[in-house]
Amino acid sequence: GESVGLHLPTLSVQEGDNSIINCAYSNSASDYFIWYKQESGKGPQFIIDIRSNMDKRQGQRVTVLLNKTVKHLSLQIAATQPGDSAVYFCAENRPDTGRRALTFGSGTRLQVQP
Amino acid sequence: DGGITQSPKYLFRKEGQNVTLSCEQNLNHDAMYWYRQDPGQGLRLIYYSQIVNDFQKGDIAEGYSVSREKKESFPLTVTSAQKNPTAFYLCATTTGANYGYTFGSGTRLTVV
Repeated sequence: GESVGLHLPTLSVQEGDNSIINCAYSNSASDYFIWYKQESGKGPQFIIDIRSNMDKRQGQRVTVLLNKTVKHLSLQIAATQPGDSAVYFCAENRPDTGRRALTFGSGTRLQVQP
Repeated sequence: DGGITQSPKYLFRKEGQNVTLSCEQNLNHDAMYWYRQDPGQGLRLIYYSQIVNDFQKGDIAEGYSVSREKKESFPLTVTSAQKNPTAFYLCATTTGANYGYTFGSGTRLTVV
């Protein structure tokens, strides 16, 4: 089975609120994590990444938090806008597999209500 | 998107036919990947290539084949052995130094 998963398949928030999307991973060897945003019918777009030697990383309106103790990753979006409506995926790099390829979770759909 | 061109955008396949999905990049990236996405699911790795003339199977390689004769191109053939090929296919590239993929816009394949 996949080692990357998500707690909530759909998250509905009001415009202007902050959004938090969660991701659990099960492999302690994972050393790199990425969040992607995918709009309907399009390819995923890179949002933000974080290495396992970090706990937090901030971008423009987005923050990724990594808790290695409980193997949990979250994406926080500040002041959520209608354009943020999409499916969000977390992905991890697992060096234990010997494979230089990302493993993706099943995604969370974010719906922003006006 | 971003220097990766996938074609066609929509593709229809009859039972028993082989079809080839194109992925071309002008990013000068070494690594290229094919993922399959089913409705409401994440991306599953089909094949990947780190360098020209070399490629490796991913998690769901059965019924698919690839080639990497040029750095810019990584075509995926969906053979008749793939029993459930209807899906959204995504090509991605990255430099060898990191894993921040750049994705193409995808090809939606439907069996008719």
